[in-house]
Amino acid sequence: DVKVTQSSRYLVKRTGEKVFLECVQDMDHENMFWYRQDPGLGLRLIYFSYDVKMKEKGDIPEGYSVSREKKERFSLILESASTNQTSMYLCASSPRYYTEAFFGQGTRLTVV
Amino acid sequence: SQQGEEDPQALSIQEGENATMNCSYKTSINNLQWYRQNSGRGLVHLILIRSNEREKHSGRLRVTLDTSKKSSSLLITASRAADTASYFCATEPGGSEKLVFGKGTKLTVNP
Repeated sequence: DVKVTQSSRYLVKRTGEKVFLECVQDMDHENMFWYRQDPGLGLRLIYFSYDVKMKEKGDIPEGYSVSREKKERFSLILESASTNQTSMYLCASSPRYYTEAFFGQGTRLTVV
Repeated sequence: SQQGEEDPQALSIQEGENATMNCSYKTSINNLQWYRQNSGRGLVHLILIRSNEREKHSGRLRVTLDTSKKSSSLLITASRAADTASYFCATEPGGSEKLVFGKGTKLTVNP
């Protein structure tokens, strides 16, 4: 079975901290995604990567950056966490060319 | 901006009834996918329909796609309490591989 693993299920950070959310997939997928999910807003794409070191901005990249140094790992970085970044963060991966995506279990981040 | 919009936002039915959810999207697509999310968890893929297909079945799921109207529907037949979840449609707009989701339909199936 495909496995997408997010490093933490719950995380509490302080305003201004630099926060790293890690995601690892074990199926050699080319595509990886980071979303945030908020009530009433659905899933919004933050960043997308289609290959090592390659990334594209999604709909809401402000305040975030990403890193993909290895194919299996895609990191989301909050450069200076703010309270409005309190949310559920979901990572996903998929093979190339329009196929299904596989999701991690999510990280619920609270910034205080 | 989000590509897909599901309708209704919430749906409550009795066990055994059918549930229909709709999705509208804005730009051309290669395929459209439906996902399910149990409360507070990650999403699980249900079914994918390609732009040259009009209807697809998988177990109790039936998906239709009308590219002229830029819309899709997901029908769950003979619903069960275990079908209680949020359902999302997703597309890859404009030929990109960015997977973009709608806001979802929250389905409650009452025993």
